[in-house]
Amino acid sequence: DAGVIQSPRHEVTEMGQEVTLRCKPISGHNSLFWYRQTMMRGLELLIYFNNNVPIDDSGMPEDRFSAKMPNASFSTLKIQPSEPRDSAVYFCASSFMMTGGGETQYFGPGTRLLVL
Amino acid sequence: AQTVTQSQPEMSVQEAETVTLSCTYDTSESDYYLFWYKQPPSRQMILVIRQEAYKQQNATENRFSVNFQKAAKSFSLKISDSQLGDAAMYFCAYRSGSSNTGKLIFGQGTTLQVKP
Repeated sequence: DAGVIQSPRHEVTEMGQEVTLRCKPISGHNSLFWYRQTMMRGLELLIYFNNNVPIDDSGMPEDRFSAKMPNASFSTLKIQPSEPRDSAVYFCASSFMMTGGGETQYFGPGTRLLVL
Repeated sequence: AQTVTQSQPEMSVQEAETVTLSCTYDTSESDYYLFWYKQPPSRQMILVIRQEAYKQQNATENRFSVNFQKAAKSFSLKISDSQLGDAAMYFCAYRSGSSNTGKLIFGQGTTLQVKP
């Protein structure tokens, strides 16, 4: 299995520009997660999808952030407009969620975003 | 709300020796799961080991084992016969067994240095 695939791996943009991060989960997984990692806040969940439906988006920081999952094999996280404080590493993870939880989440390699 | 605390920002160990990384958590739930993830310089988040709270037996994966003390809410990771490739940041994570969000709550991380 190819694992979780994220693109781009690195993104440098200027403040005010739109940024789109992409994720392809592991085939057969029914849950997808977007996490953000910063020095100040550590790793935090932004949004979680189950069967392509957003279940928990309480971690999405502002209206500038939006996420979609149009099908089981693709998700995007968009920031519009971007700000320097959005600079972070963004991880996508996927899992096969079972009743009762406890499933393992498999992480992609992350996208390092730098907003100038 | 659940919290995860890793009180050791940095640890070091001599190659072939044993090291223990500490993790404590706070929760009022009885059903949950605990994980240790490794993040090498490549930034990839790699699952090291997982523990179900309902299991009394400590999980073991080759050179990695945990000491799970449910009453004390402690979940330490022991790495035996440390290797240079074990050098990384290690994150302890908590997942509720009753929540349907699948959210992982991470500690702040411990950077492990392995000395040759």
